[in-house]
Parts: sequence; C-alpha cells; structure tokens
Amino acid sequence: KNEVEQSPQNLTAQEGEFITINCSYSVGISALHWLQQHPGGGIVSLFMLSSGKKKHGRLIATINIQEKHSSLHITASHPRDSAVYICAVAYNNNDMRFGAGTRLTVKP
Amino acid sequence: DTGVSQDPRHKITKRGQNVTFRCDPISEHNRLYWYRQTLGQGPEFLTYFQNEAQLEKSRLLSDRFSAERPKGSFSTLEIQRTEQGDSAMYLCASSLGYRASYEQYFGPGTRLTVT
Repeated sequence: KNEVEQSPQNLTAQEGEFITINCSYSVGISALHWLQQHPGGGIVSLFMLSSGKKKHGRLIATINIQEKHSSLHITASHPRDSAVYICAVAYNNNDMRFGAGTRLTVKP
Repeated sequence: DTGVSQDPRHKITKRGQNVTFRCDPISEHNRLYWYRQTLGQGPEFLTYFQNEAQLEKSRLLSDRFSAERPKGSFSTLEIQRTEQGDSAMYLCASSLGYRASYEQYFGPGTRLTVT
C-alpha cells in the first residue's frame, strides 16, 4: 500500500469545469508538494504546503494536517491543464514519498 | 525550463552494460536529489546530496548504483551491469535549503531503456 494515495487515478473533464484532485497520507509530514508532469517527463512544482491554503492563478491547494488530506483544485479548467498531477509528502528525515499521480484530460 | 539540466535525455543500452547520467542543478542550490520513475507511477526517491555529501540512500539503490556530486556542483548517477528492470525515467531535482520541505526544481529526466 502506497503511503500517499491519490484519487482519482484518471479524470476527464470538459473545458471550464471545476476540478478537484485529492491526496491522503498516512503519517505526520513536514510539508506536502503538488507537482505537475507533462508528457515527456518534465515536472514542475506547483505548491508547497505545510498548513492552510495557497492560491496561484486558477489553482488552489489546501491541506488539513489533522485529517492528513490535501486537495488541488483547478477552476475554469482548460485543455492546457491536461497533465499528470502528483502529490508528494516530505518527512522530517528529508525523505520524500510520491503518489502515483492523477492523469487529467481536459477536452475542449 | 526549470534551470536543472540532465544529460542524456534518452539512453538505450544492452543488458549488462554500464551507463552514467549527469545532472546539472541550479548553481546556488545546495541540495540535489535523484529519483526513479516507472511508467504509470510516481517518482521514487533514490538518494540525495547536501553539497558534496551523500546523506541518504534508498534501499532501492542497490550495489550496482552509485552517485557522486564532486565539489557540490553537478552530479552523476552510474548504473553498472544494467538489468531490464532498470528501465525507467531517472529524474534529478535541486533545491535551496536543508529540508525536503523546500521547493524542488526538476530536470527533464533521462529515459533509460535496457534491451
């Protein structure tokens, strides 16, 4: 069982829809990262969270430390948002654990 | 372009051969990570360096794998006697900071295919 669980594994949406991707983890962490990976492999860091909520453009990330849960929201989705979104948790021992990713396809 | 480069981008090798990958991090970043990613999975941690010191290695990093970061600048990852199970994307990331909670900047990866 992966220490970091993401849902859904695959998500197809129509352009303009509001999208939510969820991430749950099993033990206490020092921080949680949301990453975006495009075809070809390049990974870009979207957010780093240790508490609360962050917003960047159409992207919003939240974390609930007590419930060990984080969500990534995309408002007004666009086909260029199509990518794999990966949740990663950082432990105090500097180890990182990654979820398997959520493959998002936004159709025009 | 995140500022982290990796070379080569693709490598095809025959089983039993040795391969070496290079990562050039963002120049002022003191931490450098290596990850491995297989198809359909998230990256898996392999090892990381704080400047030139290799501080942690995953149990995934068998004796056939070795990594170096001379002078705390670029890093190399060598795989000896490659096996088909080594086929994966090898990712490098760097960060400015002393904890894994700092933002990491990823390179484009080196895709290894072992035939």
